[in-house]
Amino acid sequence: AQSVSQHNHHVILSEAASLELGCNYSYGGTVNLFWYVQYPGQHLQLLLKYFSGDPLVKGIKGFEAEFIKSKFSFNLRKPSVQWSDTAEYFCAVIDFGGATNKLIFGTGTLLAVQP
Amino acid sequence: SAVISQKPSRDICQRGTSLTIQCQVDSQVTMMFWYRQQPGQSLTLIATANQGSEATYESGFVIDKFPISRPNLTFSTLTVSNMSPEDSSIYLCSVKSSGANVLTFGAGSRLTVL
Repeated sequence: AQSVSQHNHHVILSEAASLELGCNYSYGGTVNLFWYVQYPGQHLQLLLKYFSGDPLVKGIKGFEAEFIKSKFSFNLRKPSVQWSDTAEYFCAVIDFGGATNKLIFGTGTLLAVQP
Repeated sequence: SAVISQKPSRDICQRGTSLTIQCQVDSQVTMMFWYRQQPGQSLTLIATANQGSEATYESGFVIDKFPISRPNLTFSTLTVSNMSPEDSSIYLCSVKSSGANVLTFGAGSRLTVL
């Protein structure tokens, strides 16, 4: 079955620093990849997604992610973070292997941006 | 995207009791899912709620513990039965509308079992 690894569990950055959060999935073939964000006290929101086409995907709030098929990776980036980016970030992948197309989540990365 | 309402938003329950969580969507959706987010952990899929038939449970989750109903295309319930403190968690309803594989999530129901 498909699985997702997020290597950074906690990240602390100062405002204006650049951000890159790692995400790797377990096997190839057709992949639908996502980054979700959960701001403090709020529900999960979709940040961006990749289904096919241009491997560099742009999402909301200046975030982008690059799909690198050879590395089974879908890292999230932002050139300059803000205090309001403090949140938990989840990478997710669709598992096409079963009866239903399930969304499988990574363990999440807690980002704290210091003003 | 669909708007999801979950009730209750939070509850504190006694060990051995059961709680039913409701998920109402403002539009018809093709698929509904129930996830669990335990403290400090990621989201784990409990089951897919199937309209008019038994839910499809993931490994480690059983119908006796987590009975699910989905009587129509806009509503589902998840019951957490015979609760223990280990069931303390956030339970989330999510839906997929027809078309692309994008899930929308409800705000979750935070359950604390004493």
